[in-house]
Amino acid sequence: QSALTQPASVSGSPGQSITISCTGTSSDVGGYNYVSWYQQHPGKAPKLMIYDVSNRPSGVSTRFSGSKSGNTASLTISGLQAEDEADYYCGSYTNSNTQVFGGGTKLTVL
Amino acid sequence: QVQLVESGGGVVQPGRSLRLSCAASGFTFRNYGMHWVRQVPGKGLEWVAVIWYDESNQFYADSVKGRFTISRDNSRNTLYLQVNSLRAEDTAVYYCAKGRTPYSSDSDYWGQGTLVSVSS
Repeated sequence: QSALTQPASVSGSPGQSITISCTGTSSDVGGYNYVSWYQQHPGKAPKLMIYDVSNRPSGVSTRFSGSKSGNTASLTISGLQAEDEADYYCGSYTNSNTQVFGGGTKLTVL
Repeated sequence: QVQLVESGGGVVQPGRSLRLSCAASGFTFRNYGMHWVRQVPGKGLEWVAVIWYDESNQFYADSVKGRFTISRDNSRNTLYLQVNSLRAEDTAVYYCAKGRTPYSSDSDYWGQGTLVSVSS
């Protein structure tokens, strides 16, 4: 159950787009369309932003989108806003019926 | 509205046990899988365990297998995590999270967490 691999940090200016990658294996990300993304602000609980690779829960901005190719999933945030500054985690179902998270990516809005 | 309220955390000596609880409200608890996820302050999320909606299956992270037990009482809308043989590396905030489906690989609502600190 090795953690999924995410970049430690990404940054962008307001209005720009950024993409966060999440790399796993064929036993998790690549094997199932059960990748999710969470946003966590300091001192707060995580919030589900994307599920099943590319679906947005009700109430999540359309500026957030997800995709997957092979063993790598991606979260794209378009039209960056100051409020998007947070930590982002990917998660995936695994072939052991467990879940695994990525190490997290700190997004800085410049 | 969905509410998840964890309790039972605290300071405990290595080797001792605790039982964490999560009181759920605002949704039909018995219809959804439930997770425990932990986070060392300042570090990333670590998935701990899941229990299916009907208690028929439980799955655990390798790091806690054999020491932690997840359970639920659908009549009391409550999720539990029995944590035994605690180690220093179990120190973390423990979150209860509602699964999005009965078996669920992801979580659409999270509690605010309860801190477990393992120290002599």
